[in-house]
Amino acid sequence: DTAVSQTPKYLVTQMGNDKSIKCEQNLGHDTMYWYKQDSKKFLKIMFSYNNKELIINETVPNRFSPKSPDKAHLNLHINSLELGDSAVYFCASSQDFQTQYFGPGTRLLVL
Amino acid sequence: QKEVEQNSGPLSVPEGAIASLNCTYSDRGSQSFFWYRQYSGKSPELIMFIYSNGDKEDGRFTAQLNKASQYVSLLIRDSQPSDSATYLCAVTHAGNNRKLIWGLGTSLAVNP
Repeated sequence: DTAVSQTPKYLVTQMGNDKSIKCEQNLGHDTMYWYKQDSKKFLKIMFSYNNKELIINETVPNRFSPKSPDKAHLNLHINSLELGDSAVYFCASSQDFQTQYFGPGTRLLVL
Repeated sequence: QKEVEQNSGPLSVPEGAIASLNCTYSDRGSQSFFWYRQYSGKSPELIMFIYSNGDKEDGRFTAQLNKASQYVSLLIRDSQPSDSATYLCAVTHAGNNRKLIWGLGTSLAVNP
């Protein structure tokens, strides 16, 4: 009965590969987010969807493409992975745009 | 100037003491303020939010907001070793209250 879940939890891959991370929330929230937390622990918002509509699209390389098939799911596809993409990626959901509930994170390591 | 600033620490306090964590923000238009706790290797979890000037108490935690001075603080009374974590301050973006701006966090160590 995990509120916000992400798969996979760990992802180790080679430079140049394409990978996807999936997120699902069962809280009934309308808004979902993708964050990147780097080695310095800085939490940076990447994208946000509200009812399947993209509402936040930060300055992120276009190799990153989010997709929300429905309001309970938000996926992140990354093309041509680079070393600098290594980080922890967190999904979060919210009903009021502010109080956010985070998933467990996906630890991505690009070799 | 960083939008949300926190002292990275580590802040070390003995068990039972009061831990005081501070956060300053640059944009006067920010309306909502949040404290999240993140244990090592885990995801952030919400501890408290505050919208109005003054103090807001929840158990051992008190959030304090001073919009004129643009700071928000978190006090943890009777600190426990289980409070050892990184505490992240987040504020709503003045131009887009759907977005949170995050500080780098303060690492707190409570020593038994």
